[in-house]
Amino acid sequence: GAGVSQTPSNKVTEKGKYVELRCDPISGHTALYWYRQSLGQGPEFLIYFQGTGAADDSGLPNDRFFAVRPEGSVSTLKIQRTERGDSAVYLCASSGSRLAPGELFFGEGSRLTVL
Amino acid sequence: DQQVKQNSPSLSVQEGRISILNCDYTNSMFDYFLWYKKYPAEGPTFLISISSIKDKNEDGRFTVFLNKSAKHLSLHIVPSQPGDSAVYFCAARTGGSNYKLTFGKGTLLTVNP
Repeated sequence: GAGVSQTPSNKVTEKGKYVELRCDPISGHTALYWYRQSLGQGPEFLIYFQGTGAADDSGLPNDRFFAVRPEGSVSTLKIQRTERGDSAVYLCASSGSRLAPGELFFGEGSRLTVL
Repeated sequence: DQQVKQNSPSLSVQEGRISILNCDYTNSMFDYFLWYKKYPAEGPTFLISISSIKDKNEDGRFTVFLNKSAKHLSLHIVPSQPGDSAVYFCAARTGGSNYKLTFGKGTLLTVNP
């Protein structure tokens, strides 16, 4: 597709459940990012992939959060034992080498609600 | 500790007038500053950026000004149009890390016809 695609767009789950959020970046973009936007806040960095490897996962809040990008394209953010505080919009972004510094292409986000 | 601050949660202007959105930062290591625009139910989209070695960057109706001594930047939109109504996020990058942007909380701009 032309843009960054994220699924599901909305996910409602119960506390303690496991959740997977998927991101399909722009074709040819080698860099992929996950950010999280809580209500009333700006996006916050979670993890960055360059190719298949996680180059920086320092933004992941704890070990319940994990992300993979096995073939260097699609990425999955995995959240175990979800908590109510995990409720947020999870944004995926990608970028290529010919963009301005810091210019990321964001998807529409996956809104996660933990009841 | 918020390193990028947008102290105005909202701003309302008349169509055709100037919109000025402000942003302050505390980290001297930031080397690029960016503005992103976000419509409801969409992801943020890149609008304009400025390097820390410059004090002004212009792109059509959008101009970003940087005052390093005051650690302050602003986005000017002239003339404002109803389609500019959105949330505007100020963001900053630490040298070399394209991925680790620090965002402000955003300012909701409403341009009234």
